Amino acid sequence: SQQGEEDPQALSIQEGENATMNCSYKTSINNLQWYRQNSGRGLVHLILIRSNEREKHSGRLRVTLDTSKKSSSLLITASRAADTASYFCATDGGSNYKLTFGKGTLLTVNP
Amino acid sequence: GAVVSQHPSWVICKSGTSVKIECRSLDFQATTMFWYRQFPKQSLMLMATSNEGSKATYEQGVEKDKFLINHASLTLSTLTVTSAHPEDSSFYICSAPRLAVTDTQYFGPGTRLTVL
Repeated sequence: SQQGEEDPQALSIQEGENATMNCSYKTSINNLQWYRQNSGRGLVHLILIRSNEREKHSGRLRVTLDTSKKSSSLLITASRAADTASYFCATDGGSNYKLTFGKGTLLTVNP
Repeated sequence: GAVVSQHPSWVICKSGTSVKIECRSLDFQATTMFWYRQFPKQSLMLMATSNEGSKATYEQGVEKDKFLINHASLTLSTLTVTSAHPEDSSFYICSAPRLAVTDTQYFGPGTRLTVL
């Protein structure tokens, strides 16, 4: 079942601006991951944050995790038109690596 | 480069026919693979867990006789959509965890199924 909820569902920004997407989940997790999906394509893994971590960086990406609030955020700094895609969070509750995906945020970066 | 491949990348078939989709891990062994379905503008829904050497485990609401899964080897899982109908039209994506390297999973590029 879908337990992740992202907001906003859609986000439109200008190149150079920062984009923040949020994700909430319901059950306990081992880790939370963010993926990117270009239209009609497969998923690209962006970053994984473990339940005992609070913040993680990877290039222009910054992910935070608040297990007390069961929420995570993905920040993309200095966005580029090529960042236009759907972004999904996915949680791993520890059950043999089965992932539960959120509904996703459609990010549009306008040149 | 891609570590999980899917074939075909797209398929169009007539209602009532069966369609087989392959998922291969290219340079690692995967005793477990996962099959997801994604409807347009929606998220991924886990359909089943493919287990090498044993029966697949299906999520609630997924018909096992409709979606046949065979994990024939440590690098190949197949999903067969039997007697496909237009409502089965969707994007099917497989994934495989590469446990020795990372906790993350590698996703295939997906297969677009259109049933006429």
